[in-house]
Amino acid sequence: DVKVTQSSRYLVKRTGEKVFLECVQDMDHENMFWYRQDPGLGLRLIYFSYDVKMKEKGDIPEGYSVSREKKERFSLILESASTNQTSMYLCAGMRDRGSQPQHFGDGTRLSIL
Amino acid sequence: SQKIEQNSEALNIQEGKTATLTCNYTNYSPAYLQWYRQDPGRGPVFLLLIRENEKEKRKERLKVTFDTTLKQSLFHITASQPADSATYLCAVTGGGNKLTFGTGTQLKVEL
Repeated sequence: DVKVTQSSRYLVKRTGEKVFLECVQDMDHENMFWYRQDPGLGLRLIYFSYDVKMKEKGDIPEGYSVSREKKERFSLILESASTNQTSMYLCAGMRDRGSQPQHFGDGTRLSIL
Repeated sequence: SQKIEQNSEALNIQEGKTATLTCNYTNYSPAYLQWYRQDPGRGPVFLLLIRENEKEKRKERLKVTFDTTLKQSLFHITASQPADSATYLCAVTGGGNKLTFGTGTQLKVEL
């Protein structure tokens, strides 16, 4: 069974802190994605990666960066956390075969105080 | 601009009835459309994928239709059960491997 694991289910940080959200997949998937999910706005794509060390901006990349040093790990970085980055963050993996489903982790609920 | 619309109001139905959820999209010509289920505090789970050249797809009690003329997909759950209560998301290809998600419709199946 496929598995996407996010390092923390809940996280509380302070404004201005640098925050790291980690995601690991055991499916050998080429593609990995970071979304945030907010009430009324749905899932919005922040960044994605289609290969090691490759990254592409999604729809809302401002204030975020990512790192993919190994195929199985995709990290989301909040360079200087702000209160408007309080959200549910979801990581997903997907095979690079076209028309494939995405497999999600259970999310990290991040609160910035 | 591209838009995916799902009914934001919760859908309440009685156990045993068929639930029908709607997904409308504009300014897309997606090659395929996907449906996901999301439970509170969990990540979305993939249910079904339907391609643009398929009119209908079934999996157990689930049925999805895809009308590229109306730019609409319908998601049906027959013989619904309380365990089917969840939020259901539709998603379309936005280009390449990216998916764009709707905001989801919450389904409540009552005894």
